[in-house]
Amino acid sequence: DAGVTQSPTHLIKTRGQQVTLRCSPKSGHDTVSWYQQALGQGPQFIFQYYEEEERQRGNFPDRFSGHQFPNYSSELNVNALLLGDSALYLCASSPSGTGGASYNEQFFGPGTRLTVL
Amino acid sequence: AQSVTQPDIHITVSEGASLELRCNYSYGATPYLFWYVQSPGQGLQLLLKYFSGDTLVQGIKGFEAEFKRSQSSFNLRKPSVHWSDAAEYFCAVAGNTGFQKLVFGTGTRLLVSP
Repeated sequence: DAGVTQSPTHLIKTRGQQVTLRCSPKSGHDTVSWYQQALGQGPQFIFQYYEEEERQRGNFPDRFSGHQFPNYSSELNVNALLLGDSALYLCASSPSGTGGASYNEQFFGPGTRLTVL
Repeated sequence: AQSVTQPDIHITVSEGASLELRCNYSYGATPYLFWYVQSPGQGLQLLLKYFSGDTLVQGIKGFEAEFKRSQSSFNLRKPSVHWSDAAEYFCAVAGNTGFQKLVFGTGTRLLVSP
């Protein structure tokens, strides 16, 4: 079992550019959540995808968008990059359920370190 | 809305000494509670979780945590710290209904002295 994988590992962009980050969930998981972790902070929830639709969204601007594919993998897109978007972006996957205990157990990938210059 | 407070930014413990990391949460009902560990440059690894039942939960690597509803706390403990435990520790909370996000604290960095 490969666990949650993310690509690329590191990325350097300049202000105003656009970036796409990718995530493959753990085998058997169909729900993907994205988190932003700024330096020295805890992760903050960006959004969650299930059945190829955004199901929940945190307090992030529309510059942050996502997509989920039929194989459950997911992309995070950020447009018009700002210096403040520099962070570790974490993807987490979980199995779907009826809202019971197993649903909330999320498994995290190693993250993508984005640096905006 | 849920929130998590980890009052200690840094903690230094001697190797072999006991450890307690504090976590307080805010939520209107009994939440799901988690402790994650993050080594430098790594993602998050789940140490333990509390969903219901016994308020003392055991996790991996010899860690345990106790849920105290009256204090809205979920403190992490380990009886004897090893140098390899040096890392960042995050407490997180999720609502117990529907498809809830994880809300994290700001983390506590554990330093282990020889």
